[in-house]
Amino acid sequence: TQLLEQSPQFLSIQEGENLTVYCNSSSVFSSLQWYRQEPGEGPVLLVTVVTGGEVKKLKRLTFQFGDARKDSSLHITAAQPGDTGLYLCAGAPPWSGGSNYKLTFGKGTLLTVNP
Amino acid sequence: DAGITQSPRHKVTETGTPVTLRCHQTENHRYMYWYRQDPGHGLRLIHYSYGVKDTDKGEVSDGYSVSRSKTEDFLLTLESATSSQTSVYFCAISDDRRTDTQYFGPGTRLTVL
Repeated sequence: TQLLEQSPQFLSIQEGENLTVYCNSSSVFSSLQWYRQEPGEGPVLLVTVVTGGEVKKLKRLTFQFGDARKDSSLHITAAQPGDTGLYLCAGAPPWSGGSNYKLTFGKGTLLTVNP
Repeated sequence: DAGITQSPRHKVTETGTPVTLRCHQTENHRYMYWYRQDPGHGLRLIHYSYGVKDTDKGEVSDGYSVSRSKTEDFLLTLESATSSQTSVYFCAISDDRRTDTQYFGPGTRLTVL
């Protein structure tokens, strides 16, 4: 069974600060997704990374996939109150050419950015 | 945003009653999923479908059944609701077999009294 551990579980910071959250596993993933979920809503896809060492940027958010494809990080620069939410990572098992069907989800990092 | 709707959005029911939740998509995606989300447990897969009338169990399938008679609709049924099934239920869809990227609906909050 593949597991994804996210850290920290909770993070409360002031507006303007930088932060990094982590998603770690002992298993290899063919791809990894990051989602943000706001209260009362479903998770919204932020990014998918597929290549070891890949870095993707989305405005103030920088996502990195580990070289060995076992871990990922999300860095937010100059956090804003609108960044508040639950950040989830999810990994797809190595693709065998068939259909994977299922993602493994971490339990999330709950981020609060105070004005 | 992917076209996914869930109905109802909120439901309160009593123990022992049957409940059906509906997920409807307009994206023509082949794969559909039902998850439940609970504090301390994160998202857990209940059932999924890889085509019309093709479904399989996830990690927490006991007490739940599903049906998919057409591409756009995936139904989740609680045959006899229990208080332990109080949760927020999310439907997701996918059509990318290389990355399995999933798109989620807005959720249904179910309370079983």
